[in-house]
Amino acid sequence: GENVEQHPSTLSVQEGDSAVIKCTYSDSASNYFPWYKQELGKGPQLIIDIRSNVGEKKDQRIAVTLNKTAKHFSLHITETQPEDSAVYFCAASHMDSNYQLIWGAGTKLIIKP
Amino acid sequence: NAGVTQTPKFRILKIGQSMTLQCAQDMNHNYMYWYRQDPGMGLKLIYYSVGAGITDKGEVPNGYNVSRSTTEDFPLRLELAAPSQTSVYFCASIGTSGSINEQYFGPGTRLTVT
Repeated sequence: GENVEQHPSTLSVQEGDSAVIKCTYSDSASNYFPWYKQELGKGPQLIIDIRSNVGEKKDQRIAVTLNKTAKHFSLHITETQPEDSAVYFCAASHMDSNYQLIWGAGTKLIIKP
Repeated sequence: NAGVTQTPKFRILKIGQSMTLQCAQDMNHNYMYWYRQDPGMGLKLIYYSVGAGITDKGEVPNGYNVSRSTTEDFPLRLELAAPSQTSVYFCASIGTSGSINEQYFGPGTRLTVT
């Protein structure tokens, strides 16, 4: 079955700098890759997603890139702000599987003032 | 729109007790999911439903049961609670209007089994 690995487990960056979180997946049939932000005591919130027919997607300060050949995808956050501090999760799924998501273990992002 | 609601927020169970975690959504979403999140880990899928009357197992279904009698409600039943079921449980829904971006999670139920 699918396995998703996420790195790093903790990332500390200076406010204003960029942050990059990477995930690899094992099942080449996966075609949907969402990213979630989870703040303390809350449920995950979808922040951006990408499908396998697209190599990159941007939404203001966040972007996701997908390399199907290498089976990895990355989240990029530019001009980081204190409110970006949270745990970020990647996930992978095949859309024909009724969006059954396999999740990475999460990255705790710390923005230093 | 209340989104996805879950009750209770917290619960402590003794080993062997049973309980039902409630989940409801008011967005007319067809897809609903139950996940558990153990400390420092990603979410694992317990059960899911693609519509009223249809449920299916996820990665970790043992010890749980679900039902989906209406589009709005998707309760999760724990029978004979065990310490291994101590976790935070999240319910989620996905819309089928054509946009995968219609995805919402509830606030979670923190369950402790002692």
